[in-house]
Amino acid sequence: GQQLNQSPQSMFIQEGEDVSMNCTSSSIFNTWLWYKQDPGEGPVLLIALYKAGELTSNGRLTAQFGITRKDSFLNISASIPSDVGIYFCAGRNSNSGYALNFGKGTSLLVTP
Amino acid sequence: KAGVTQTPRYLIKTRGQQVTLSCSPISGHRSVSWYQQTPGQGLQFLFEYFSETQRNKGNFPGRFSGRQFSNSRSEMNVSTLELGDSALYLCASSLAFSSGGALPNTGELFFGEGSRLTVL
Repeated sequence: GQQLNQSPQSMFIQEGEDVSMNCTSSSIFNTWLWYKQDPGEGPVLLIALYKAGELTSNGRLTAQFGITRKDSFLNISASIPSDVGIYFCAGRNSNSGYALNFGKGTSLLVTP
Repeated sequence: KAGVTQTPRYLIKTRGQQVTLSCSPISGHRSVSWYQQTPGQGLQFLFEYFSETQRNKGNFPGRFSGRQFSNSRSEMNVSTLELGDSALYLCASSLAFSSGGALPNTGELFFGEGSRLTVL
């Protein structure tokens, strides 16, 4: 598969702080997806992006599809303890067919 | 609407054995994909099925195989298990992906809770 570079690898923040994480690829993607995974569970879809430059929000979460189509970022505002988990970016293009390429994840810890 | 259901949730096997995992997609979803998740390699694509046909396959050995039934339910099988096959196996279903033509710009994947395989 194609490599996605996701950063940071982990974050340790205080409740109420804003969080930003991003993903970059050497290839152009036509779809970016952001997932959150809790321990022992499968990834849950947070936001889907389909157009370069697209900015989409889901509650306190905001994600953008980079103009170059090679990157995406996810912001979480006013973090709360239940935001704890691992966040994954995933991208798809014509080369990957129907497969999603995943980043290695950003582990988020939130202290009260 | 029920989500993606995977069985079994946990299983333990020994080297050389084989295993079959099952996945029931969200009702109405016809595309089913399988992923392997390990701490070292992360989430890696195994294969994708649509209308009982495998349309895409990841870079895994032939010991990994799968199939899809007419009701869209899917199974994957791993034969001659190795220690390195220990992983969380995730199934995902998708509404989109009609066959043929250009890849549609849709197709959000919804994952099940996974089957945790431990090979001893």
